Amino acid sequence: AAGVIQSPRHLIKEKRETATLKCYPIPRHDTVYWYQQGPGQDPQFLISFYEKMQSDKGSIPDRFSAQQFSDYHSELNMSSLELGDSALYFCASSRRGGSYNEQFFGPGTRLTVL
Amino acid sequence: DQQVKQNSPSLSVQEGRISILNCDYTNSMFDYFLWYKKYPAEGPTFLISISSIKDKNEDGRFTVFLNKSAKHLSLHIVPSQPGDSAVYFCAASGGGSQGNLIFGKGTKLSVKP
Repeated sequence: AAGVIQSPRHLIKEKRETATLKCYPIPRHDTVYWYQQGPGQDPQFLISFYEKMQSDKGSIPDRFSAQQFSDYHSELNMSSLELGDSALYFCASSRRGGSYNEQFFGPGTRLTVL
Repeated sequence: DQQVKQNSPSLSVQEGRISILNCDYTNSMFDYFLWYKKYPAEGPTFLISISSIKDKNEDGRFTVFLNKSAKHLSLHIVPSQPGDSAVYFCAASGGGSQGNLIFGKGTKLSVKP
């Protein structure tokens, strides 16, 4: 079965650079979530989109922005990168409706800021 | 303030025995709970979920129990297998199945042959 695809899988950037992470949800999933997991931490919710509109916002820094496109893929744009942004970034997708709509996670993008 | 708590960072059990992973939560608005399993360098994999209107959900070797009055849920794995060795995250949502997830810090399960 198709899963959530994230690209790139690994990314190395310098401080103050920008980065763009991409997420391709499972086909027919209309909701995308972004999470950040620091070393030894639990995943922290950043932002979510439903039908291309932002639906919820968590602890996402102002330096970050995201959007969902017409084909339901999503991009997380990160600017003025800081050392503390080094983390695993997970995208998850789900489909609204039905009784149990679990979020399915991608493999993550490991961002290292030097 | 951690709204979802997994107080045991690690658990070791013998193959064939039962593994019980515990999770406590503080927010009474949570109405949907999930367990995820995570291997290193991979994303969390959905295991099993339960709505707050139920107290038990079973799927094969995995059973989740919810005690709303105690704000406690547990995941039972029986029989445990070495391939079950992973980090298990408890997660909760206040928006039903559509809301963002609040995760616990995870419990590392080791199943010894």
